[in-house]
Amino acid sequence: GESVGLHLPTLSVQEGDNSIINCAYSNSASDYFIWYKQESGKGPQFIIDIRSNMDKRQGQRVTVLLNKTVKHLSLQIAATQPGDSAVYFCAESREYGNKLVFGAGTILRVKS
Amino acid sequence: DTEVTQTPKHLVMGMTNKKSLKCEQHMGHRAMYWYKQKAKKPPELMFVYSYEKLSINESVPSRFSPECPNSSLLNLHLHALQPEDSALYLCASSQSRLSNYGYTFGSGTRLTVV
Repeated sequence: GESVGLHLPTLSVQEGDNSIINCAYSNSASDYFIWYKQESGKGPQFIIDIRSNMDKRQGQRVTVLLNKTVKHLSLQIAATQPGDSAVYFCAESREYGNKLVFGAGTILRVKS
Repeated sequence: DTEVTQTPKHLVMGMTNKKSLKCEQHMGHRAMYWYKQKAKKPPELMFVYSYEKLSINESVPSRFSPECPNSSLLNLHLHALQPEDSALYLCASSQSRLSNYGYTFGSGTRLTVV
């Protein structure tokens, strides 16, 4: 997907609250989705993935929801901590080649 | 070992220099990738190697030359770069070209072209 200019959307949450980060994907043929966390100066870190035959998948403190009808993906983080502050990217896999395409990203800021 | 290791972490080079970025993984993955990431932007795919053969080149200028000497190593050779090529260069690997399972990124090389 194309990024939306120079300003990433920002989500500010209070420590201990739950966070919900949203992502709209573009290709209805995409069948695999990954959420990544990227801290400043580091590479993207795998958080959780989901295949298109599932609607929901849970990990440790994270849940990914997939709504194929509206092509929407969300990442829920429970009891958000200061260490969760980062940029979060969703990525979709298209076609049968292994081409992972990233969404624009969302900055998560956790206030103590 | 569940890591993708990239060296160097930082690189400053002039426009007439030749340098190489290196990437290594020992997870048995057979697909390896180079991405470029500019500030406040998502990573953009440059090259895909599958079983040591180049399978995707996303119309990258020839001043970037990838090489996959074996299934564990991936290089990116740089020559006559421009200042706009300054970016974070990320290497990634996955089980195979047709399986995204285990898609893992390295920490990147921060490249500055002066």
